[in-house]
Amino acid sequence: EAGVAQSPRYKIIEKRQSVAFWCNPISGHATLYWYQQILGQGPKLLIQFQNNGVVDDSQLPKDRFSAERLKGVDSTLKIQPAKLEDSAVYLCASRESLAGGLRNEQFFGPGTRLTVL
Amino acid sequence: AQTVTQSQPEMSVQEAETVTLSCTYDTSESDYYLFWYKQPPSRQMILVIRQEAYKQQNATENRFSVNFQKAAKSFSLKISDSQLGDAAMYFCAYRSVRETSGSRLTFGEGTQLTVNP
Repeated sequence: EAGVAQSPRYKIIEKRQSVAFWCNPISGHATLYWYQQILGQGPKLLIQFQNNGVVDDSQLPKDRFSAERLKGVDSTLKIQPAKLEDSAVYLCASRESLAGGLRNEQFFGPGTRLTVL
Repeated sequence: AQTVTQSQPEMSVQEAETVTLSCTYDTSESDYYLFWYKQPPSRQMILVIRQEAYKQQNATENRFSVNFQKAAKSFSLKISDSQLGDAAMYFCAYRSVRETSGSRLTFGEGTQLTVNP
């Protein structure tokens, strides 16, 4: 079974530029998450989708961050314009469904490391 | 809101020895899930072990086991017979059982484990 795919793996941009990250979840997984992991910290949820609908975006800085999951499969996270403090690893994860259960775990992609200069 | 605290930023262990990583959490919920994740330099988040709060028996997965103390809100990870491949950042994480929470994970700040040959 293929895992969660993310691209690019690395991105370096100047502040005030725009950037986009792409995530392809495990086939059939309805729930998709984007996490931000700043160096030396644990991941923090930015946004969660169930199919193509947003479940939770309370921690997403909506003045500069946006995300979409058209057709309920792939997802794109965009930052416009980027700030220095956006330098982080952006992790995508997917899960079979929102249903509870210990075995219904999240699977993580390899992440995109963003450096804002 | 739930919080997860890992008070040991760094730990080291000799190969073949045993090490324990600490984690405490704060929640008002009576049922929830707890996890330990491993993140090597590749950044891929890997699930190590999981525990359901209503189960008193501590979870075990091969060389990994937990000491779950619900009243103390403590969830430590014990790694026995440490191997060089165990070197990584370890994150403790909490997940609510309530579907309204969206099944997001709340992570601690992480513990960097070094295994010395």
